[in-house]
Amino acid sequence: GAGVSQSPSNKVTEKGKDVELRCDPISGHTALYWYRQRLGQGLEFLIYFQGNSAPDKSGLPSDRFSAERTGESVSTLTIQRTQQEDSAVYLCASSRYGTGRGRATNEKLFFGSGTQLSVL
Amino acid sequence: AQSVTQPDIHITVSEGASLELRCNYSYGATPYLFWYVQSPGQGLQLLLKYFSGDTLVQGIKGFEAEFKRSQSSFNLRKPSVHWSDAAEYFCIAFTSGTYKYIFGTGTRLKVLA
Repeated sequence: GAGVSQSPSNKVTEKGKDVELRCDPISGHTALYWYRQRLGQGLEFLIYFQGNSAPDKSGLPSDRFSAERTGESVSTLTIQRTQQEDSAVYLCASSRYGTGRGRATNEKLFFGSGTQLSVL
Repeated sequence: AQSVTQPDIHITVSEGASLELRCNYSYGATPYLFWYVQSPGQGLQLLLKYFSGDTLVQGIKGFEAEFKRSQSSFNLRKPSVHWSDAAEYFCIAFTSGTYKYIFGTGTRLKVLA
C-alpha cells in the first residue's frame, strides 16, 4: 500500500479481555517495529521484525504481550488479559532496510497512524 | 547504554521567535540521526536526517539541525516559529550495527500567538 496501515484506529476493551492490533507495512519493507506511546510520554520500543530473522522482543513489557509477522507482510500485536496500564497508542513503523546495510542514506521510518487502545 | 536525551520536556515560544530543541545522544559510534514531528491528531513525520557529510542539514517546514560530534548533539532549530509548529518533536538515533531506532522522550512545543 501507499503507507503503513494500522487497524483498528480505536479500540475500547474491558479489563481482562484480549485484544489484537494489526499493522500492514509498506510493501517491500523488510523491517517492522511496534512502539507504545502512553499519554504524555515518549515512544517505547516493543518489538522489531527484520525479514525472516528471529524478532527482537526485548521491549515487550510482559508475557501478556506477543507479536507475530509472517515473512515481510502483516504483523499482529496481541495483548492478553488487558490491564488499565496497557491504555496507550500503539504505533507501527516500517522501513525498507532496517539494518542500513550500505543503504543507510535511504533509511527512514514510516509510521502508521496508530491504534488508540483504551482499557476500561 | 545507547540513549537519546531531550532535556526539555516542554517548550513555549511566541510566534515569530526563534526555536532550538536540544538532543544529545550516547553511542559508541556516530549514529544516524533523525528529527520527527508529531502534530496533534496526526502521525509522525520526518523533518530531517543526518547520516554523514555536511553537519548542517536542512529539512522541511524551514527546520534545520546541526550535528556536533564534540558535543554528541543534534539540535533542531527554526529561525521563526509559526503557530502550526505546535507539536511534539522526537529526536531519534539509529545505528546500522544494532538496527534499533532509539527515541528521545520528546519535546512538546507550544506556540503563543
